[in-house]
Amino acid sequence: SQQGEEDPQALSIQEGENATMNCSYKTSINNLQWYRQNSGRGLVHLILIRSNEREKHSGRLRVTLDTSKKSSSLLITASRAADTASYFCATGRGSYIPTFGRGTSLIVHP
Amino acid sequence: GAVVSQHPSWVICKSGTSVKIECRSLDFQATTMFWYRQFPKQSLMLMATSNEGSKATYEQGVEKDKFLINHASLTLSTLTVTSAHPEDSSFYICSAPRRRANTGELFFGEGSRLTVL
Repeated sequence: SQQGEEDPQALSIQEGENATMNCSYKTSINNLQWYRQNSGRGLVHLILIRSNEREKHSGRLRVTLDTSKKSSSLLITASRAADTASYFCATGRGSYIPTFGRGTSLIVHP
Repeated sequence: GAVVSQHPSWVICKSGTSVKIECRSLDFQATTMFWYRQFPKQSLMLMATSNEGSKATYEQGVEKDKFLINHASLTLSTLTVTSAHPEDSSFYICSAPRRRANTGELFFGEGSRLTVL
């Protein structure tokens, strides 16, 4: 199984600030994905970055991938209170069984 | 809109009873579905992989007789918690990969919160 570990475990910021969270993994991958989970809900896929990509953007989200360091970062720019959620990364390698770390709990204060 | 539907969203039951949770893929066929369990402020713990037409693959430490999984069709997988006890109270989430261009992207149900009294 592939597992990502997110860092920090908790992040508290003010609305308008940027939020950065990181993900580290141990084995080679084909892709890395970031998910969001609102409290008591299922996970929602945010963005996927392939192993041959270094950076990807989607709206206010920016994801980077450094395969040499086996790490990825998710940046949320100009955060909003509605961005308050837990964020998880998951890695993929061919026919994989996805596993998740503990996630980063983000709180954005209005 | 949702592409994976999970039902019920919450259930309260008495100790000793069995509870069935359904996971449906709405507009695609899912030969594989994953069942997770999540405790408050914890990670999603993979319980088992549900395979259409064959037996489920359980993760180490997960009791297969306790958590019965049936992948009855290409769009439906069910998880039955048998003889539930308070320690089985948790948030159960299913997911299915929709292999668009082999992206590996997962679609999740909204989860089912089980409370065993």
